[in-house]
Order: sequence, then structure tokens, then C-alpha cells
Amino acid sequence: GAVVSQHPSRVICKSGTSVKIECRSLDFQATTMFWYRQFPKQSLMLMATSNEGSKATYEQGVEKDKFLINHASLTLSTLTVTSAHPEDSSFYICSAPAGSSYEQYFGPGTRLTVT
Amino acid sequence: QQQVKQSPQSLIVQKGGISIINCAYENTAFDYFPWYQQFPGKGPALLIAIRPDVSEKKEGRFTISFNKSAKQFSLHIMDSQPGDSATYFCAASSPGAGSYQLTFGKGTKLSVIP
Repeated sequence: GAVVSQHPSRVICKSGTSVKIECRSLDFQATTMFWYRQFPKQSLMLMATSNEGSKATYEQGVEKDKFLINHASLTLSTLTVTSAHPEDSSFYICSAPAGSSYEQYFGPGTRLTVT
Repeated sequence: QQQVKQSPQSLIVQKGGISIINCAYENTAFDYFPWYQQFPGKGPALLIAIRPDVSEKKEGRFTISFNKSAKQFSLHIMDSQPGDSATYFCAASSPGAGSYQLTFGKGTKLSVIP
């Protein structure tokens, strides 16, 4: 199957700072990527759809000025959590459909802890 | 509105037994139904998927059964092993409509005891 990577796998930051999370498709190109957050023992919650060459589409209730998404190339999307607060602590996961296939592949996730 | 309902929330199965997880959906536009397996601290991994033109798909010990008229699908894990202990998510999407966005169930935590 296709491989999606994320960096970093874990990050701890102080309240008020910004954190950038990278999502890369390693062996395929992805014009669309998805960003999710997952709280402990809960399902994945879609935050936004990242589109290469255009603005991201955010789900209702997700602050686009707080969660900045940039789809810089066909293999890279970044999520920047700006002015992070402890309530932003979560597991952030990206995914991408592999080309024309229906199959969608997930990254390994990034554990963000805001102190 | 929860578009994909998953049950049970948790499941304990003896080693060698059959694990069965069920999902029901509401949106008739869905035409792709994957199952994901997630271990703690890891991203979900695609396990098996089905499209509504078939009623069953089997890959090794994993089988999806699909009932289009009832808008239900289920995952069967045969000969369950302790290594299968994980959280399983069903999902649905309508990629044929140009959107790959997945709608997830709430997940089932499976524990396979020796």
C-alpha cells in the first residue's frame, strides 16, 4: 500500500507558541489530503481538507485562523497550530487518497502536548 | 447526525473465536466502505474495503459482509488472535461523486484473550 509519513511524531510546546506538523505522501502524489484530530478513546474527527494549489476547506467549528493548512506540493501538506493552548493537545493524523484509487492511507499521527 | 453507526463499542473474544463488528449507514450515496485497524498511538491502517456491487469480500482471516438493502455492513475476523487486539473503525465515502472524504463510525475496541 501507499505510504504517508508525518513529522514530528511527538511534540511538546508551551502555551501561546505555534507548532507545524508535516504530512508527506512518499510514493504517490496527492492533490487532496485530509487532517483529523483524535481525542483518547474517540473516533477521528475531520478538521479540514487540504487542496494542492488552492485554499483548504474547513469543517464547521474548526477555526481556520488557528489551524493553518498549506498544501505546498503534490506530496506535502502542513498543519500549523497557531497560539496553541492546552485544549489543543490531541493526536493529529493526516490521510491521502492514492491517485485514482478509492483507497485512502493514513499517516502515523502526531501527538501534540501543549503545556 | 451520525451517518455511520458502529457497534459494539467494545468486544472481548477468546483466542480462536470469531469477532464480529457491525456498521449501519444512512447516506445512500456512499459507495465505498473500508475498515481500518488502529493500534494505540498509531495511525489507522486500511484493513479491507468493499464496494456495494458485491455482498462479501474476504482477505485472509478478514471478511466484509455487505447488505445494500439494509444499509449495513460488518467485519468478521476468523480465528481471532491476541495480535488482533486493536480498535476497529468502519467508514464510508462516496468517491464516485468526486469526494474522498471518509465518514467514520465511533470505533470498536477489540480484546482477544488467550
